[in-house]
Amino acid sequence: QSALTQPASVSGSPGQSITISCTGTSSDVGDYNYVSWYQQHPGKAPKLMIYDVSNRPSGVSNRFSGSKSGNTASLTISGLQAEDEADYYCSSYTSSSTWVFGGGTKLTVL
Amino acid sequence: EVQLVQSGAEVKKPGESLKISCKGSGYRFTSYWIGWVRQMPGKGLEWMGIIYPGDSDTRKSPSFQGQVTISADKSISTAYLQWSSLKASDTAMYYCARRIGQGTFDIWGQGTMVTVSS
Repeated sequence: QSALTQPASVSGSPGQSITISCTGTSSDVGDYNYVSWYQQHPGKAPKLMIYDVSNRPSGVSNRFSGSKSGNTASLTISGLQAEDEADYYCSSYTSSSTWVFGGGTKLTVL
Repeated sequence: EVQLVQSGAEVKKPGESLKISCKGSGYRFTSYWIGWVRQMPGKGLEWMGIIYPGDSDTRKSPSFQGQVTISADKSISTAYLQWSSLKASDTAMYYCARRIGQGTFDIWGQGTMVTVSS
């Protein structure tokens, strides 16, 4: 199972919006609405930010939103804040009844 | 409070065996799958496998088949990840996480750092 494809890095200024893409195949992202997004600050455990493509867990800011089109899912962060600077990983359930992560995207807030 | 607490950091030599743990609390441990995720130094997350503590049904990523054993003791709400013969390439942070729904891991342990060096 190959990792999902994410850009290595994205950046934005405070207040701006950014979007991180996550491209898979018809055996994972394209076939299931089970895409999740995780935020990881240095030295910390991952934190769930979006699940089932576009749902936010309780306590996660509504500045975070998710979507999907075909084999590509996206995470959008609006109104960028300094605390959003972190690594972001997408994940999808697969047709093999396993899970696969993306390679991760480093978000820099300029 | 729902939480997963993992065992402490380990330093081992190549060829040694190791078993790390992940203890759940604040919820019915036997009703949720527990997954294991590897993060090698400076690298991304890799899904290793998952276990259902209620009946110990287990699934593993093909990449980790034959490399690790995943088990659970429901009487003490604890899941385990073990190696019979460690390699230097097993050096990594290992996280356990609770699965909800079909594709989501909502609660994560704090991680266990495993260092394998001669």
